[in-house]
Amino acid sequence: KQEVTQIPAALSVPEGENLVLNCSFTDSAIYNLQWFRQDPGKGLTSLLLIQSSQREQTSGRLNASLDKSSGRSTLYIAASQPGDSATYLCAVKWGGSQGNLIFGKGTKLSVKP
Amino acid sequence: DAGVTQSPTHLIKTRGQQVTLRCSPKSGHDTVSWYQQALGQGPQFIFQYYEEEERQRGNFPDRFSGHQFPNYSSELNVNALLLGDSALYLCASSLGGPHYGYTFGSGTRLTVV
Repeated sequence: KQEVTQIPAALSVPEGENLVLNCSFTDSAIYNLQWFRQDPGKGLTSLLLIQSSQREQTSGRLNASLDKSSGRSTLYIAASQPGDSATYLCAVKWGGSQGNLIFGKGTKLSVKP
Repeated sequence: DAGVTQSPTHLIKTRGQQVTLRCSPKSGHDTVSWYQQALGQGPQFIFQYYEEEERQRGNFPDRFSGHQFPNYSSELNVNALLLGDSALYLCASSLGGPHYGYTFGSGTRLTVV
């Protein structure tokens, strides 16, 4: 069964700290992996998309890595800010699946001033 | 450039009623997917529409149905509403190939009482 797991479920850090969010997935035959941010009661904002042939993607203070062989991805946030507080979701699209993104349950991040 | 637009933003319905949710995809996107997100959970795939046909379907009963129009906009219909259908319904659009990322709307919050 294709599954996505995110640990920890919640994380609280002081402002300015660098942090890493983890995502693991079964079955390495993925098309791509996408990281999203979700504010309470809101929709999903795409942060980074990594294709199966790529090892990492960067956008500003965010860096996402992908290791298909170990079934892991990490989202690195540098110099965290209170505005980064949100739930971060990892979603995987597998080969043979035309449109089915499978999501983890997310990591709820709180950055304290 | 308008992103994905969903309407309405909030909706309250009574058990047994029927509901229709609407989605306009991001300009240039031809594929629309619908997801259900229960509180504290990751989004669950309902179905995807491409070229006005349902291309793939998740593990949802036939009470959930949809439609895609020639302008690529889409509707999600839910019949015989149950209390358990209360959730945030998210629409995502993309291009049709498997390597493209998804753009999500802000969602429709459905409450069934």
